[in-house]
Amino acid sequence: DQQVKQNSPSLSVQEGRISILNCDYTNSMFDYFLWYKKYPAEGPTFLISISSIKDKNEDGRFTVFLNKSAKHLSLHIVPSQPGDSAVYFCAASARYGNKLVFGAGTILRVKS
Amino acid sequence: NAGVTQTPKFQVLKTGQSMTLQCAQDMNHNSMYWYRQDPGMGLRLIYYSASEGTTDKGEVPNGYNVSRLNKREFSLRLESAAPSQTSVYFCASSDEPRGSYEQYFGPGTRLTVT
Repeated sequence: DQQVKQNSPSLSVQEGRISILNCDYTNSMFDYFLWYKKYPAEGPTFLISISSIKDKNEDGRFTVFLNKSAKHLSLHIVPSQPGDSAVYFCAASARYGNKLVFGAGTILRVKS
Repeated sequence: NAGVTQTPKFQVLKTGQSMTLQCAQDMNHNSMYWYRQDPGMGLRLIYYSASEGTTDKGEVPNGYNVSRLNKREFSLRLESAAPSQTSVYFCASSDEPRGSYEQYFGPGTRLTVT
């Protein structure tokens, strides 16, 4: 039973446009959410996170939105750049837990 | 400051062979983790260690053992490798100040079992 789902295996976007990556979760105990970015042959690197007490967190070109009632979060990248092409993983953690549950990932391709 | 390091980077094993994947971190983190990444399945937790001297099973522990040698080092052992253990293995560490669950990952070990 996948507790964190990224239903789009891949996404292709033109340079300069917005990229929107989506993530759904089923466990209502999750209270902290993270996005990781992964380039080929490298480990995942932390991108941005959001606590369940917020509905939006912004860091430069990256914004994460959280809709708790829908158990849905999204990552917006504006404007998208070719260097953003990577696999993006959504992850979630439950209160007082230190284990992360990851989604399957979405491959983002930004075309120049 | 190297962060999280893993050795080896690549390994090919025959079915039934054993090996140990090494991981070390220099960030003085309390918690360390081993994940495997398979196509279409994201990262799945194999084992983790919340602090030196403790280890716990994750989602997919069968066929693996771990040792938290000290605060810096966390090793993963395959006693009798099987083709189903062909995967990319990532080690990670974290230090959980209140409200943050960010984990730092190593570069990975690509393991093929024939």
